[in-house]
Amino acid sequence: GAGVSQSPSNKVTEKGKDVELRCDPISGHTALYWYRQSLGQGLEFLIYFQGNSAPDKSGLPSDRFSAERTGGSVSTLTIQRTQQEDSAVYLCASSRGGAGTEAFFGQGTRLTVV
Amino acid sequence: AQRVTQPEKLLSVFKGAPVELKCNYSYSGSPELFWYVQYSRQRLQLLLRHISRESIKGFTADLNKGETSFHLKKPFAQEEDSAMYYCALSLYSSASKIIFGSGTRLSIRP
Repeated sequence: GAGVSQSPSNKVTEKGKDVELRCDPISGHTALYWYRQSLGQGLEFLIYFQGNSAPDKSGLPSDRFSAERTGGSVSTLTIQRTQQEDSAVYLCASSRGGAGTEAFFGQGTRLTVV
Repeated sequence: AQRVTQPEKLLSVFKGAPVELKCNYSYSGSPELFWYVQYSRQRLQLLLRHISRESIKGFTADLNKGETSFHLKKPFAQEEDSAMYYCALSLYSSASKIIFGSGTRLSIRP
């Protein structure tokens, strides 16, 4: 089956605009993660969804960032009033959830704020 | 709180030299540990997990509960090993999330 799919693959936006990034996880995966990867840097955790539980939003850097997961499947990460420091690759991952399961990553969305 | 620490941001070794990427974790229970790898222009993917006790692409990692470490090793580095490596921890809990370290960039010099 298909892996984790993210769209768009690239997004250039003007400072101050809002953007939406989409993630289609692997079917049946109950856990979904968003990460940010700045140029040459490691993974920065943003948010974690697990089934019907309240999401773990502890990694969101500011209130300009929010995410939804509708119907336990597709997720959208929204960044309002984008700033240049938001420029990064945004990665989505999903897993079956539960004890010790592997995470499968998408190809990422490269966001450039000009 | 659970934490994964990778003390080296960058590790550069010569081709044919041994490689050790360090990973330490903090958790009092029994975690499952993973190494993930991201090659240039490819997706981040699982390299190996400790429970499998397997060698992948010549890499092995041993869980040392006494030292709370899960270092990744390879006896003879190859140029194609150049990549970003992430150590990760997952807890034996139904609501467990995977916690990643900050990553180590491995560069193999010819």
